[in-house]
Amino acid sequence: EVQLEESGGNMVKPGGSLRLSCAASGFTFSNYSMAWVRQAPGKGLDWISSISRNSNYIFYADSVGGRFTISRDNAKNSLYLHMNSLSAEDTAVYYCARVPYGHPDYWGQGTLVTVSS
Amino acid sequence: QSVLTQPPSVSAAPGQKVTISCSGSRSTIGDNYVSWYQQLPGTAPKLLIYDNNKRPSGIPDRFSGSKSGTSATLGISGLQTGDEADYYCEAWDSTLSAGVFGGGTKVTVL
Repeated sequence: EVQLEESGGNMVKPGGSLRLSCAASGFTFSNYSMAWVRQAPGKGLDWISSISRNSNYIFYADSVGGRFTISRDNAKNSLYLHMNSLSAEDTAVYYCARVPYGHPDYWGQGTLVTVSS
Repeated sequence: QSVLTQPPSVSAAPGQKVTISCSGSRSTIGDNYVSWYQQLPGTAPKLLIYDNNKRPSGIPDRFSGSKSGTSATLGISGLQTGDEADYYCEAWDSTLSAGVFGGGTKVTVL
């Protein structure tokens, strides 16, 4: 059974940093691209970053480029999102998703990031 | 402002059919497959339709998808109260080399 479990969400002050993790199981992690998709309160889904199987190709949305860094450790079946210079606009539930052929098929349950003073 | 355009809401009585449109461009829907997701309140999105019209195992055939040109449509027939949720379309954007979502459509069962 494919499982994705995010962790690391928390409340942080503006300007702060946070690292999210996503533990994958039930499939060969190294065979799939992965993505982070966030959802601000009451808003829609927003694809913010993705990484290819071997980390050769990385995408960042304009809203997070230069502040967020996506990475993966295929030996540990884990995906990460390092977030710096956080602002209130980054408050959201962050989902990790498995992305075969460009379309998410499995999603984690999400982890909440709240940026507030 | 989402890259893909969906109506904010649709509604129908139990047993009826609703359709949700998703409009994009050549670089999104025009050149790539479309997926659809259901998000029940307080839960993660769930894949309903992939490759325009295919259903993953376990998804009932009340859910259907189609694509024509730069638009796609999700159909839900035999509407049930349990279908009340937000529905999102998604497509690969060949210009961005990343996925993009529609703004979501809330389905209400009257």
